[in-house]
This record gives sequence, structure tokens and C-alpha cells, in this order.
Amino acid sequence: DIQMTQSPSSLSASVGDRVTITCRASQGISNYLAWYQQKPGKVPKLLIYAASTLQSGVPSRFSGSGSETDFTLTISSLQPEDVATYYCQKYNTAPPGITFGPGTKVDIK
Amino acid sequence: EVQLVESGGGVVQPWGSLRLSCAASGFPFDNYWMTWVRQAPGKGLVWVANINQDGLVKNYVAAVEHRFSIFRDNTKNLVYLQMDHLRAEDTAIYYCARQADLGGLDLWGRGTAVTVSS
Repeated sequence: DIQMTQSPSSLSASVGDRVTITCRASQGISNYLAWYQQKPGKVPKLLIYAASTLQSGVPSRFSGSGSETDFTLTISSLQPEDVATYYCQKYNTAPPGITFGPGTKVDIK
Repeated sequence: EVQLVESGGGVVQPWGSLRLSCAASGFPFDNYWMTWVRQAPGKGLVWVANINQDGLVKNYVAAVEHRFSIFRDNTKNLVYLQMDHLRAEDTAIYYCARQADLGGLDLWGRGTAVTVSS
């Protein structure tokens, strides 16, 4: 099975900082990669799909890049409302199914 | 309104059973794969199962295969998760989600809590 890892597991940054989260797949997954934001006590929200396509309504400070095994989620200017845990997720690969990464918790310094 | 609403959670003893339901509204339900995702207390997201548009293709995470069953009723816009032989480690919030055509889970319900405890 394809495993997903994320780094770091947590980070603390200042408002306005550029934040980068890395996601790695154990095998190539083309661009079948999505990113989610889950605020404390809330339902996960899709931010990015196909590795780099911003979901409708998501602020443009969020961006995604990468392909095959290495992906990044970038927040260009961290805002207080971005405090959340971020998950990557692979889909549409063999074997069938969906796998989430372990998550990266983002806090404000 | 486009939404998913889960129900059926509760407290059950080990080895017991529960059936979760997810009611979809506001979109053409039979056009979409549907998915169940769970989240144990304080833990990350774990995909549980998904089902294709006509209900003939189903996939499960290894931890629930042969114990859980996903199925759907397109006439009622419902997707179900039948959970048998429940274990303590199945304790979680269970979310129903829609799989977007272009990728990702673009619509989520608010979840229903399942607690397996004696």
C-alpha cells in the first residue's frame, strides 16, 4: 500500500510568515493529491486538489505544488484564522482507496 | 441546500453492531462516489470505505474489511455504513463525504460519534 508522510508534525509561526508543509508518498501518485484544513472542533475542508488546484472559495494565500512523491502546501502569509491541522491525501491510485497523511498542526507564535 | 447529514452513531458494546446513515441533498447523488472517513479522539483522519455511483464497486481500509459494509440507496439519496464486530479501536467520529469528480472530498457532513465500550 502507498503510505503518506508529512513534515513537520507541528509548527509555530508568526502572523505574516510564509509556511511550508511537505507531504511525501511512498510511491509515485502523479498529481492525485489533495490538501485539507481542519480547524479545532470543525469538519475538514478541502483546500487543494490535483496537487495544485485551489478549491473554489479558498484564499489565494494557499498554494500547492509537486508531483509523483513530493508535494508541498504553502501559506504565503500566515493569518490567525489559519490555525488548524493540515492533512494531505492521495486518491485515484492502485490499490484503490484513499490515504491521509498524519497531519501537520499549525499554530501562531 | 447542498449537504450531507449523518446519523446512527451511539454507544455500543464490543462485538456489537451499528448502522450509520448519511442523507444527501441538493446535488445529483447518483453522480458521485461516496466515502466514509473516521477520526478517533485526538487523532488524524482515516479513510474507511468508499462506493461508486451504482454501488457495485466498494473499497475498504484493511482494518475494517470483512467487518464493515458500505452500501447506498440512490432512490433515497442515502449511503450507509454497516459496522459489525465492533472493537474499542473503532471509537471515532464518522464522517460521510462526497468525492469530487476532479479529486478530493469536497463536501463533508458534520459527523456522527461512535463509542465502543463495555
